[in-house]
Amino acid sequence: NAGVTQTPKFQVLKTGQSMTLQCAQDMNHEYMSWYRQDPGMGLRLIHYSVGAGITDQGEVPNGYNVSRSTTEDFPLRLLSAAPSQTSVYFCASRQPGLGSYEQYFGPGTRLTVT
Amino acid sequence: LAKTTQPISMDSYEGQEVNITCSHNNIATNDYITWYQQFPSQGPRFIIQGYKTKVTNEVASLFIPADRKSSTLSLPRVSLSDTAVYYCLVGDSGTYKYIFGTGTRLKVLA
Repeated sequence: NAGVTQTPKFQVLKTGQSMTLQCAQDMNHEYMSWYRQDPGMGLRLIHYSVGAGITDQGEVPNGYNVSRSTTEDFPLRLLSAAPSQTSVYFCASRQPGLGSYEQYFGPGTRLTVT
Repeated sequence: LAKTTQPISMDSYEGQEVNITCSHNNIATNDYITWYQQFPSQGPRFIIQGYKTKVTNEVASLFIPADRKSSTLSLPRVSLSDTAVYYCLVGDSGTYKYIFGTGTRLKVLA
């Protein structure tokens, strides 16, 4: 199992550009989520999904869109990048209902917006 | 959603036991408590979970009092490689909205 994979590892965008951060998991997990982590800070929940076709907002959803068309993939779209979105983005997955609350995190995407 | 509060930072020496306490006064009946470890430039890694009393695995113990308003992560005999940020997370089993707190930055000294 590859676990949770994220692409790209690094990205530099100019203000106003759009892009999609990719996240995939091969564990057949129903629950997936996106977090951002600013330098020296904790993780903040952006969006999450409890299954294909179902998404919901987290703490800081503004400026980001998500969709979940398959169980495996949960892309995060930045519509018009702003310097305030410079951060490291982590994707996570978990399988509810098995008695374990462990979330599996990807390696992160480091995004810089100039 | 249960909000968590942890000390910002702690220092310890190699070989000592480290206890990190997390406060979660508004925890709901169905919520579980999980702890994660994060090294620089990596995603968080699950350490342990619990609902009440004491849970132990190969790397840590978790103590949860009867009122469940706090929990304590215990790391036995820490080494330099345990230097990391530790997060307490209270799982919202109803909405699946998992909110991280600020974490505790543990520094282990030689």
